[in-house]
Amino acid sequence: AQSVAQPEDQVNVAEGNPLTVKCTYSVSGNPYLFWYVQYPNRGLQFLLKYITGDNLVKGSYGFEAEFNKSQTSFHLKKPSALVSDSALYFCAVRRGGTSYGKLTFGQGTILTVHP
Amino acid sequence: DTEVTQTPKHLVMGMTNKKSLKCEQHMGHRAMYWYKQKAKKPPELMFVYSYEKLSINESVPSRFSPECPNSSLLNLHLHALQPEDSALYLCASSQDQLASVGELFFGEGSRLTVL
Repeated sequence: AQSVAQPEDQVNVAEGNPLTVKCTYSVSGNPYLFWYVQYPNRGLQFLLKYITGDNLVKGSYGFEAEFNKSQTSFHLKKPSALVSDSALYFCAVRRGGTSYGKLTFGQGTILTVHP
Repeated sequence: DTEVTQTPKHLVMGMTNKKSLKCEQHMGHRAMYWYKQKAKKPPELMFVYSYEKLSINESVPSRFSPECPNSSLLNLHLHALQPEDSALYLCASSQDQLASVGELFFGEGSRLTVL
């Protein structure tokens, strides 16, 4: 079985400060890891993914995430938060190297960036 | 702008009504998905179509009936729904169900209210 934990239901940061949204995972074999963002009353938008290679992955809108195999983590980061980054963020994992790997989502983290 | 288009954006129906949700993508993707999402919760997988064939049904009640008329279109037929079926229904596509590295592209969703 595979699972994703997003330990913080909510994260609050001031505009201009760095932000981190945490994600840890559990999966057998190699993990394929994804971050999605959902703005109010919208669908999910893909931000970035880790499949293999460099542990630091850069994605859309200035976001990046670091894959840490020993800590089974894939935290989402941004050096300087914007008010427009306020949204619901989902981490997701899939077991790599399989013919079909179901995508498992975390419970989500609400990010609020204050002016 | 999303490349997965869902209609209608909002739907209100009674428990005896029959309605359909529609989804269209023109990215040449061969896998299409239906998800159900409750407020501030992660999406829950309902169905997966791969090459226009139903490949996964996550034990969804028969009052939900998916249909994939061609590789670009995905429908979800609704009949005799219950108030607890009220949710945001998200359509997604990916290049290929078997390509675990691929991210999902989501539509904006259809918000369903069952009275």
